[in-house]
Amino acid sequence: VQLQESGPGLLRPSQTLSLSCAVSGGSIDTGNYSWTWIRQHPGKGLEWIGYVYYNGLTSYNPSLKRRLTISIDPSQTQFSLRVRFVTAADTAVYYCARVACTSNDCYKGWFYGMDVWGQGTAVIVSS
Amino acid sequence: DIQMTQSPSSLSGSVGDKVTITCRASQNISTWLAWYQQKPGRAPNLLIYKASSLESGVPSRFAGSGSGTEFTLTITSLQPDDFVIYYCQQYDSYPITFGQGTRLEIK
Repeated sequence: VQLQESGPGLLRPSQTLSLSCAVSGGSIDTGNYSWTWIRQHPGKGLEWIGYVYYNGLTSYNPSLKRRLTISIDPSQTQFSLRVRFVTAADTAVYYCARVACTSNDCYKGWFYGMDVWGQGTAVIVSS
Repeated sequence: DIQMTQSPSSLSGSVGDKVTITCRASQNISTWLAWYQQKPGRAPNLLIYKASSLESGVPSRFAGSGSGTEFTLTITSLQPDDFVIYYCQQYDSYPITFGQGTRLEIK
């Protein structure tokens, strides 16, 4: 399985960030996996953004929830991220990843790790 | 949110050495902890989940241990490729959170 992010690299403040993650070499609508977005601010650590499950259910980081939509499109074998009203604080490398997970709740004993990642895409928010 | 604190923030070693990285959680997370390795300019790579379960394909020189609030990642017989950054991650509760990272440098 391979994941590949795509989307614009440069945004103005208040715009909407839209990224897609294309999944190849495997199915996206299996109950054994969920799909996630992670970001990494320049020179910093990792921040979990949210999950989308094979059935379309989502779990979001509360710090981003009010601006966030993650969706899945099995017909296109891809999932997507939308972040509204971006600011400079949203400048980061965005990664999509597969989560080995056996439930609609990818935590505790249902979680087996973020085991396949995309290469990441850099997003800069600047006026 | 559960805070994850790694120590040290950086450490140095030589090829063939054994090193240990510590990760502390701000509350009890049982064994719901993973470790990732990140090489420069690359995405993180899963090493260990459930505190001590080695991900398939990961060399056996990587070992995790711990439960509750204190965890360790031990790397025995360091190889040149191991001198990168390591992150712990808790998945006991939402939001999923990561440690700040430990940079392993060659001495």
